[in-house]
Amino acid sequence: DQQVKQNSPSLSVQEGRISILNCDYTNSMFDYFLWYKKYPAEGPTFLISISSIKDKNEDGRFTVFLNKSAKHLSLHIVPSQPGDSAVYFCAASAGGTSYGKLTFGQGTILTVHP
Amino acid sequence: NAGVTQTPKFRILKIGQSMTLQCTQDMNHNYMYWYRQDPGMGLKLIYYSVGAGITDKGEVPNGYNVSRSTTEDFPLRLELAAPSQTSVYFCASSYGVEGTLHFGNGTRLTVT
Repeated sequence: DQQVKQNSPSLSVQEGRISILNCDYTNSMFDYFLWYKKYPAEGPTFLISISSIKDKNEDGRFTVFLNKSAKHLSLHIVPSQPGDSAVYFCAASAGGTSYGKLTFGQGTILTVHP
Repeated sequence: NAGVTQTPKFRILKIGQSMTLQCTQDMNHNYMYWYRQDPGMGLKLIYYSVGAGITDKGEVPNGYNVSRSTTEDFPLRLELAAPSQTSVYFCASSYGVEGTLHFGNGTRLTVT
C-alpha cells in the first residue's frame, strides 16, 4: 500500500516556463511534507517543506501548495531552468517523534529543455 | 565540511555473504537513518537512531542490523545477503527530530 504517490514518472518543460510536480497521499496522520531533489549518483537534497497548518510555502522560485481535503500537494518551479533537471521526490511524515521517518513517493524525473 | 559520508560507493556480493555499509557524519547530528531505494521506487526506511546507543526499526528492517556506538557513525550490517537486497542504500542525518535530512551519496549494492 503506497501511502505517498507521484503518478507522473516524468515531466518535460521548456526553460523559462512553469514546472508543476504533483503528489498524493492517503495517510491522514501525515502533517509535514517535503520535497527533495536528486541528481544522478548523489543523495537527495532538501528543497522545500510545508506543515499541515499552512496551504502554501514559498522559497525563491519554488512554491509548495498543500490541499489537505484532497490529500494533494504540488511543487511549482517558476521559471524553470536547465539546472532544475533532476528527480524530485515528495515525502511525508506523521510529526511528533516521526518527523525524520519519511515516507517517499516514487519520484518524478523533471527535464528542462534550453 | 564533509557532511554525510558513505563507503563503499559500489559493492557486489555473492548470495550468503555479509558486509557492513559505513556511514559517518561530521555535523554533530543526533538523528541518523538508513534508507534503501529500489529501481523506480521511493526510499524506504530500514533503521534509524535517535542518539548513541539507541536504534529502532523502520519499515523494512528484515535482513539488516545496525549499531550506534558514537554520535558520528551509524553502520548498517547485512548478514546472509540475498538478491532482494540489491538496492541503493542511503544514510542520512538530522540535527533534531524536526530537522530536515542530510543524505550521503549512497552505496550501490548488487547481490548475485
